[in-house]
Amino acid sequence: DIVMTQTPLSSPVTLGQPASISCRSSQSLVHSDGNTYLSWLQQRPGQPPRLLIYKISNRFSGVPDRFSGSGAGTDFTLKISRVEAEDVGVYYCMQATQIPYTFGQGTNLEIK
Amino acid sequence: EVQLVQSGAEVKKPGESLKISCKGSGYSFASNWIGWVRQMPGKGLEWMGIIYPGDPDTRYNPSFQGQVTMSADKSISTAYLQLSSLRASDTAIYYCARLNLGGLNFWGQGTLVTVSS
Repeated sequence: DIVMTQTPLSSPVTLGQPASISCRSSQSLVHSDGNTYLSWLQQRPGQPPRLLIYKISNRFSGVPDRFSGSGAGTDFTLKISRVEAEDVGVYYCMQATQIPYTFGQGTNLEIK
Repeated sequence: EVQLVQSGAEVKKPGESLKISCKGSGYSFASNWIGWVRQMPGKGLEWMGIIYPGDPDTRYNPSFQGQVTMSADKSISTAYLQLSSLRASDTAIYYCARLNLGGLNFWGQGTLVTVSS
């Protein structure tokens, strides 16, 4: 199985300041079709997860442009340019390149 | 509007079985994979497997194979997750989600399953 490792596991951030979450995979996420199936999800307290970013850097419909994704191969990053109160929650990376798909452990974003 | 609506919360006793449903609307249900994800209390997300309602083809996470059965009825746009021989450790929220664009892009509201004697 591909192991997804996120850092940090907890991120206290000041409102209006940037935040960054890293996700590293135990092997390359480049699929045989040439795509890299790395996505980012947000789970607000008491809510189901919500897709933010797919295929490394594509924002899903309705996702604010303060969220951005980058990376390649085995190293990926989610950035929030200016954290807002509604961004509090747990963020997960997920790979859908190889079955079984796997998630990172989650990063808890909280406001200082 | 794409929606996935799951069946309601369940309380079961150890050893019992359970079938959770996930009804899709607003898109071509038969042509999109549906994934199932488990979230144990206070824990992260675990990918259980996916099913393609049009075939239906299924791909299980080996960690869950033998303990769960995924099925679908495309005529009523509904996917199912069957859990058998329930144990207390099966207590969790179970989510269905549509797999599209290489990600799980629409999620059901979750079904809380509590297993207790």
